[in-house]
Parts: sequence; C-alpha cells; structure tokens
Amino acid sequence: TQLLEQSPQFLSIQEGENLTVYCNSSSVFSSLQWYRQEPGEGPVLLVTVVTGGEVKKLKRLTFQFGDARKDSSLHITAAQPGDTGLYLCAGANGAGSYQLTFGKGTKLSVIP
Amino acid sequence: DAGVIQSPRHEVTEMGQEVTLRCKPISGHNSLFWYRQTMMRGLELLIYFNNNVPIDDSGMPEDRFSAKMPNASFSTLKIQPSEPRDSAVYFCASRTGGPWSEQYFGPGTRLTVT
Repeated sequence: TQLLEQSPQFLSIQEGENLTVYCNSSSVFSSLQWYRQEPGEGPVLLVTVVTGGEVKKLKRLTFQFGDARKDSSLHITAAQPGDTGLYLCAGANGAGSYQLTFGKGTKLSVIP
Repeated sequence: DAGVIQSPRHEVTEMGQEVTLRCKPISGHNSLFWYRQTMMRGLELLIYFNNNVPIDDSGMPEDRFSAKMPNASFSTLKIQPSEPRDSAVYFCASRTGGPWSEQYFGPGTRLTVT
C-alpha cells in the first residue's frame, strides 16, 4: 500500500509570513497533485507535477516534485487569510491512472 | 457548468436505516469516483466507474455498501444498514479520460448515523 505522509498536520501563522508544507512517501509516484479544500466544500486541484525535480509556480504558491518522485513540497510566500484551508497531496501512477492516493492533509490557518 | 452535484448535503439517520447518496457528474466526463473523508483516515477511494461500468470497488468497506451508475449522468451510493462508524463526508468526483486529467469534486454529503 502506498502512503503519503503530510507535515505538519496543523499550521497557524500570521498574515504575511512564509510557510512550507511537505508530502513524503517511501513509494515512487508518476505524478503528484496538490489540492486545497475549504470547509463544506470538495477539494479543488491546484497543480499537477509529473517530472522529478519539477518546480511550478502559481502566483504566491511554489510547488516542487522531488528528484526521486517520492516527495513534494508547497511553499507559500506572504500568506493571506484567503490561503486558509486544508492542503492535500495526492499521488498517482501512470498518465491514465484513476487511482489517487491522498495524504491526510495540512490544515492551514492564516490569521489577519 | 454547474459542476458535480451531490444530494443531500447533510443526512442524519438512525443506525440500521438505509441511506442513499446521489451524484450527478459533469456532463461529458466518463469517469466517476466515490470517496469517503474522515479525520482518522483522510480521503479514501470507495469505488470507481468508467463509462458507467464499475471498474474497481476494492475500497468499498463491506457488503453494506453498494454503488450504481445506471447512466452517464447519475450515480448512487447506498448504505444498508447504516452504522455509526459510517459517519463521514462522502464525495463524488468526475473526470474526463485524458492523461493527467483533473478530478472535479462535488461539495460532499455529510452523513451522521446516530
């Protein structure tokens, strides 16, 4: 069974601070996705990374896929209250693979 | 596009009762997924349909759970009889079949079994 461990589990920071959350596995994934979930809603895809070492930027969010495709990180610069939510990583095997293995998430609170 | 639609949004029922959750995927998507989310176990895949056919139901916890997809625009997840440990948020998601295609999640049904 492939497992994804996310850390930290909870994170509370002040507006304007930077933060990094991590997603680690002992297994290799062909791609990794990051989702954000707000209370009372379903997860929404932020990014998909598919190449080892790949870095993608989405405004203030920077996503990195580890060289060995076993880990990933999400860095947020100058966090804003609107970034508050549950951040989930999910790994897949194969371009057409339907099976996503989800981590349990990092619950981020950005305090104004 | 209305996105993935789920009903009801909240369901409270007594142990032993039958519960039916409903999902309408995004038009044109040919894959549909049912997930369950709890604090303890996170988001777990229960069953996956492709072109209305169940492909993998290995995540269905036990025989009390069943899912159907009679057509491309409707799916149900049924629990009979329900138990308190079934309390969770149940999500439906759909996607196209393209490589690395995105899964679009519905808003979920929060089920409480007392």
